[in-house]
Amino acid sequence: DTAVSQTPKYLVTQMGNDKSIKCEQNLGHDTMYWYKQDSKKFLKIMFSYNNKELIINETVPNRFSPKSPDKAHLNLHINSLELGDSAVYFCASSQGVWKSTDTQYFGPGTRLTVL
Amino acid sequence: AQSVTQLDSHVSVSEGTPVLLRCNYSSSYSPSLFWYVQHPNKGLQLLLKYTSAATLVKGINGFEAEFKKSETSFHLTKPSAHMSDAAEYFCVVSEVSSASKIIFGSGTRLSIRP
Repeated sequence: DTAVSQTPKYLVTQMGNDKSIKCEQNLGHDTMYWYKQDSKKFLKIMFSYNNKELIINETVPNRFSPKSPDKAHLNLHINSLELGDSAVYFCASSQGVWKSTDTQYFGPGTRLTVL
Repeated sequence: AQSVTQLDSHVSVSEGTPVLLRCNYSSSYSPSLFWYVQHPNKGLQLLLKYTSAATLVKGINGFEAEFKKSETSFHLTKPSAHMSDAAEYFCVVSEVSSASKIIFGSGTRLSIRP
């Protein structure tokens, strides 16, 4: 069984559309994250949830809204997609309340292409 | 301010020769340091981490890294490269002060020549 899974793997859409990416972890972890990896492979944290509560909210446009229906799921909804949103989005999870020593377990990524 | 610098964007070595991927960091607090590997079209996987215990850390697949506070470095090494080591490697620094202080380096692409 995949520990951290994301759907879809690829997402191609037009500018202005609204889309969602889903993430699920079956590790029993309490903390989940969303990262954006740009075309230069640079990774930046976007959000983190601990037990369904938002604990990190980096400076991202408010078109991006995370939703955590339960601690095993963290979905990312993006409104009014723009060309600059094209990237690979990674979901990750870690055990317990966030600590600096925590190992993160990453999903396979969702490649979003905005045309 | 917290930061991490990977000194080489691309490293190419011959199979069977040593690997050295360099990482320097700056941190206001006692940092935790990680190396993650990303194979093509895959998610990231932890290789090893330093969390203020032993300064020489051994990881998976024969990799190891040494935390040198005086040099603010956490270089990744492997004695003998294998073709399967070809991937992107990320050095990561994390501070205890804030959950948002998880900073990834820009990555080093490791190529292995036959």
